Amino acid sequence: GENVEQHPSTLSVQEGDSAVIKCTYSDSASNYFPWYKQELGKRPQLIIDIRSNVGEKKDQRIAVTLNKTAKHFSLHITETQPEDSAVYFCAASKGGSYIPTFGRGTSLIVHP
Amino acid sequence: GAVVSQHPSWVICKSGTSVKIECRSLDFQATTMFWYRQFPKQSLMLMATSNEGSKATYEQGVEKDKFLINHASLTLSTLTVTSAHPEDSSFYICSARDPAGRDEQFFGPGTRLTVL
Repeated sequence: GENVEQHPSTLSVQEGDSAVIKCTYSDSASNYFPWYKQELGKRPQLIIDIRSNVGEKKDQRIAVTLNKTAKHFSLHITETQPEDSAVYFCAASKGGSYIPTFGRGTSLIVHP
Repeated sequence: GAVVSQHPSWVICKSGTSVKIECRSLDFQATTMFWYRQFPKQSLMLMATSNEGSKATYEQGVEKDKFLINHASLTLSTLTVTSAHPEDSSFYICSARDPAGRDEQFFGPGTRLTVL
């Protein structure tokens, strides 16, 4: 089955800095890669996703890049703000009826 | 996006009792829902796939007789933790797929279970 590795497990940055979280996946058939943000005690919320036919996608301060050859994808957050502090999960899926496999999560701490 | 609710949001129970958690799709029909368990500072671990009108599909290592899943209607799936023990204390989250057919999943707000 699919295996998703996520790094780092913890990331501490100063407000205004950029943050990058990286994930690798094992199944070359995976074609859907969502990123979720989860605040403490709350539900995961989709913040951005990318499909395998696209190399990069951007939404304001958030961007995701995908390298299909290397089987890795990354989340980039620019101009970080304290409210960006949360746990971020990446996931990989073959889409359709397939269930995504989640990474172990990255705890992002943005210091004011 | 589609809305998924869960009830209760938190529950405290004594060891040996059973607890039922409800997951509802509020504005759409969900033939399939998913149940996850999340321990503190850990990832979402899929427990089972709940299928409307048929038996749930459990992930390896999840005891189906302990975690009973019933998906009796297109908007409701329930997870019953039977004979709960302290090690069952966790955050339980359900989800459903985007009814429009896209790959996105919508998560419920989660249920914090504490077994004393």
